[in-house]
Order: sequence, then C-alpha cells, then structure tokens
Amino acid sequence: QVQLVQSGGGVVQPGGSLRLSCAASGFDSINYGIHWVRQAPGKGLEWVAVSWYDGTNKSYTDSVKGRFTVSRDHAKNTVSLQMNSLRAEDTAVYYCARDLSSYAFEIWGQGTLVTVSS
Amino acid sequence: SYVLTQPPSVSVAPGKTARITCGENNIGTRSVHWYQQKSGRAPVLFIYYDTDRLAGIPERFSGSISGNTATLTITRVEAGDEADYYCQVWDSNSGLWVFGGGTKLTVL
Repeated sequence: QVQLVQSGGGVVQPGGSLRLSCAASGFDSINYGIHWVRQAPGKGLEWVAVSWYDGTNKSYTDSVKGRFTVSRDHAKNTVSLQMNSLRAEDTAVYYCARDLSSYAFEIWGQGTLVTVSS
Repeated sequence: SYVLTQPPSVSVAPGKTARITCGENNIGTRSVHWYQQKSGRAPVLFIYYDTDRLAGIPERFSGSISGNTATLTITRVEAGDEADYYCQVWDSNSGLWVFGGGTKLTVL
C-alpha cells in the first residue's frame, strides 16, 4: 500500500527545536519530490518546504528559511523536517506529501501537530 | 507573491450543483489542482491539471478554467461532500507552491 507515515511533533517552547519524520512505504521516495505542508489551527493550507526527488535540491517558504531544513535518508526511505528557532506562529498540523509530476500533492501523510508554547 | 482567491463559504441544497471558484490573474497559464479536506483529516487530491480526476473520484466532481477563474463544480451534491476545498498552483515565477484560502462547502 502506497502511504506516508509521519512521526514526531509535540509541544516545544519558543526558540526550541523539533524534528518531524515522514516514512514512505509502497514506493521508493527517491523517485518523488516530498513536500511539507502545514495548517495552523482553524486556518488554511500553507506550503512549507520540498526536497526534490534527487534530494539535492530543496526549497522553502520565506517564513521558515534559515530555520527549517529538509533532509532525506534513502536507506530508511524517509524524509525529515528539522525545525529550529521555533516561534508561536509555527504552531500547526504538519503534513508531508508526495508530489505528482512536481506540481500537485498526490499522497499525504496523516499529519502531526506541532505546538510552540511556553 | 502569488495569491489565489476563493470564497470563504458556499452553501448548496442536496441534489443541486455547487461551484467553487479560484481566481487570480494569469491563472489560465498555470495548472490548477483541487483538494478536499474533511474535518480532522488530511487533504485529498481530487482534480489535477485543471480538469483531470484522480482515480476513484466520482464524475460528479469536475474542474474547469475560464479567463482568470478556475472552478470546481460538484453536481448532485450529497451530504458527504461537505468539506473544505482548496485550489493550488505552482508559481513558476517564485518556484513556490501556493494554496487558495479554502472554501467551506455546506450542504443545507
């Protein structure tokens, strides 16, 4: 079964760090771009970051540049999002998603809640 | 930055047709994708490349583009269609992915 299974998340204080993981099953993630999309409580979807299929090219939305880093572990078929210097406005459910020809998001993880609060 | 404009809410009676719009200048030059998100669940891709339905999506759901507006049309609306719907494009100018603000579909 093709799916993405997420882990990580939780409550962290402002300025703290957290690491989210997204494990692919049923397909080889090296062949796909894997994105991170977040949704603040009661708000809409916001694209956050992408690791292109080759793992070398990455892009980020402006608000997380320099704080978030996306990486891949090909052996574990996993993509991770390292989040540093977290702010209250980073509080959201974070989803990983597999792209469709680089333009849309075809397969989604179940989502994981990140709460930044003192 | 590229902004996609959706109406916050659309209401429709069961069995009727719902139309959810997504507008922006030059949207016709981009591929528009549509997602359904039910409460507490991850989004699901329904329509991609403006008009293509993902496998398993009912034919009642269709996408179209005219001028500066993309439209998701749902015919013979059912109670189970009640959800938030988002349009999305890839902005080639910035190299970033952009979502509309989302539209809450209420089935009366």
